[in-house]
Amino acid sequence: GEDVEQSLFLSVREGDSSVINCTYTDSSSTYLYWYKQEPGAGLQLLTYIFSNMDMKQDQRLTVLLNKKDKHLSLRIADTQTGDSAIYFCAESRDDMRFGAGTRLTVKP
Amino acid sequence: EAQVTQNPRYLITVTGKKLTVTCSQNMNHEYMSWYRQDPGLGLRQIYYSMNVEVTDKGDVPEGYKVSRKEKRNFPLILESPSPNQTSLYFCASSLSGQQPQHFGDGTRLSIL
Repeated sequence: GEDVEQSLFLSVREGDSSVINCTYTDSSSTYLYWYKQEPGAGLQLLTYIFSNMDMKQDQRLTVLLNKKDKHLSLRIADTQTGDSAIYFCAESRDDMRFGAGTRLTVKP
Repeated sequence: EAQVTQNPRYLITVTGKKLTVTCSQNMNHEYMSWYRQDPGLGLRQIYYSMNVEVTDKGDVPEGYKVSRKEKRNFPLILESPSPNQTSLYFCASSLSGQQPQHFGDGTRLSIL
């Protein structure tokens, strides 16, 4: 199976919070990342968290890390239509491994 | 401006006709990597390079070759492309394999 797993789709209404979840398998991962991919574009680094942290907040984005359960989440507050994209979770050891991506659709 | 540049952005070609996708970065990064993106499968690593003249297979290397003769360039070579290599390809670079990667804008290949 995949090393990094995430659900494929999430739909929310504009102004609501979005929570994208991810599970990973390698407890020795050093960093965990969230990337955003807009249509026709490459992946853009959104945020990342070091493995010895539990939480990181950056404006509308909150990353939570539960090392015991190997669970990572990305919360987007006050979700806007411009947040519609595919969000990839990734873990790094010697190299990076990506999940399949969660397509976030924001409805007006 | 720091960037990873891939060329071409789009290519339609036929089975068996050798092609090369170039990748260049201007950030003096040591680590470079190629991925393919397919629906429902996310990004799968094809090859990566830790430094000049050092390359290693990723998860899906079959049918691909790479070279790293200079730090800034990491071309992806398809010696005899087949339709199952139709995909969206991304090149990425970073200071090391664990550091955040900078991605190119992608190359969409269609092999008929």
